[in-house]
Amino acid sequence: AAGVIQSPRHLIKEKRETATLKCYPIPRHDTVYWYQQGPGQDPQFLISFYEKMQSDKGSIPDRFSAQQFSDYHSELNMSSLELGDSALYFCASSFLIVGLSGELFFGEGSRLTVL
Amino acid sequence: SQQGEEDPQALSIQEGENATMNCSYKTSINNLQWYRQNSGRGLVHLILIRSNEREKHSGRLRVTLDTSKKSSSLLITASRAADTASYFCATMEYGNKLVFGAGTILRVKS
Repeated sequence: AAGVIQSPRHLIKEKRETATLKCYPIPRHDTVYWYQQGPGQDPQFLISFYEKMQSDKGSIPDRFSAQQFSDYHSELNMSSLELGDSALYFCASSFLIVGLSGELFFGEGSRLTVL
Repeated sequence: SQQGEEDPQALSIQEGENATMNCSYKTSINNLQWYRQNSGRGLVHLILIRSNEREKHSGRLRVTLDTSKKSSSLLITASRAADTASYFCATMEYGNKLVFGAGTILRVKS
C-alpha cells in the first residue's frame, strides 16, 4: 500500500540558508500534518492542513511557512536557518471523517542538519 | 513536551515480561493514541481510544483511559526483543491537532 512520501530524506544546509521539504500524502487523504523532532525529543506539532486550507497551527516559527497544493502534496519552507532547526521533520496524513479514526500515517521523515 | 509527561522515561525488561507505560495530558481530548518509533524512523500508529472509552485491546496491547485523571496507560504483554522502541502517547484535541507526550524508551532484553 502507498505510504506517505517525504523528500529529501537528508538535507544539509548552512546557517541563514533556506530549505524546502516536500510531502506526498497517502492518496485520498485530505489532511496533512507537519512535526519537528529534535534529538531525544518528542515530536512537536508545527502546522496542519485540511483540504488545502490551514486548519491548526502549533509552535511553528515565523521563519517557516507551509502550504498544501491542489494535488494535496505539501511543502514546508524554512528560511534564515539556525543551528537549532537541525531536526527530523515528519509529515503525516489522515482521512478526516467526523466520528471515525483519527489515526495519522507518518512518513519516514526528512533529516535537516544546519551547519 | 507540548502535552504532558510520560512515565517512566525509560524501561528495561526481559523478554516475556509485561511492560507498562503511563501518560498524562493537560487538555480536553477527542481521543488518545499510542505510537511507536524505532530509532530515527517514522512513527507507527498502535492503538486509538476515544474519550468515551475506558479500555481497549489490540493483540498484545491493552490501553486504558481515565479522563477524570487525564491519564492513560499502555500495557504490552509477553514482550519481545522486537518491541524495543520509543513509545509515545498523543492526544487529539478538538479540532485537528495531534499533540505528543514525551515518550518512553523501552528496551526488551533477550
